[in-house]
Amino acid sequence: KAGVTQTPRYLIKTRGQQVTLSCSPISGHRSVSWYQQTPGQGLQFLFEYFSETQRNKGNFPGRFSGRQFSNSRSEMNVSTLELGDSALYLCASSLDGSSGANVLTFGAGSRLTVL
Amino acid sequence: GDSVTQMEGPVTLSEEAFLTINCTYTATGYPSLFWYVQYPGEGLQLLLKATKADDKGSNKGFEATYRKETTSFHLEKGSVQVSDSAVYFCALFYSGTYKYIFGTGTRLKVLA
Repeated sequence: KAGVTQTPRYLIKTRGQQVTLSCSPISGHRSVSWYQQTPGQGLQFLFEYFSETQRNKGNFPGRFSGRQFSNSRSEMNVSTLELGDSALYLCASSLDGSSGANVLTFGAGSRLTVL
Repeated sequence: GDSVTQMEGPVTLSEEAFLTINCTYTATGYPSLFWYVQYPGEGLQLLLKATKADDKGSNKGFEATYRKETTSFHLEKGSVQVSDSAVYFCALFYSGTYKYIFGTGTRLKVLA
């Protein structure tokens, strides 16, 4: 079956712009979560959605937002981009996102460069 | 708060050498523990997991045991291959929190 698909794979923006990243989860997976990966910080949790509801949010400023659609696809948006937002943004899906044996399937990521 | 600490990399080994990547965690409860691996240009994929103390996760020759007394989940492999070169992430997860806490990752380089 198809994996987690993220688009675009690469993008370059300038400071002050905004960006929208998209994620299509594995068919049947209803939980979608987003992580920011940077060399110094590793993976930092952004947010998690299930059935169009955000169930948890990480410690990121309000410029970072997301949403999930009825078909489980998800988008995240970053407004007023800063240089420090340059990172690999990873989307991951799972069946329900809550059980103790919860296993994430990751997409290949969207690499954002802010100039 | 909860956290995961991994050994600094890169770890460089010759093919067929024994591998250990240390992982320790700080947890207020009883999380599940995971190892994920990231190959160049790809997202992370599950390597193995353990959901309770003393459980051993294993996959593709890799093993890790959930040690509650030492709060550790060290990754081991008896004989590494060049194809094992990747970044390895240790992580914990609590049921009902909907988020993982990852370590910073350890890069492994295996030389032929």
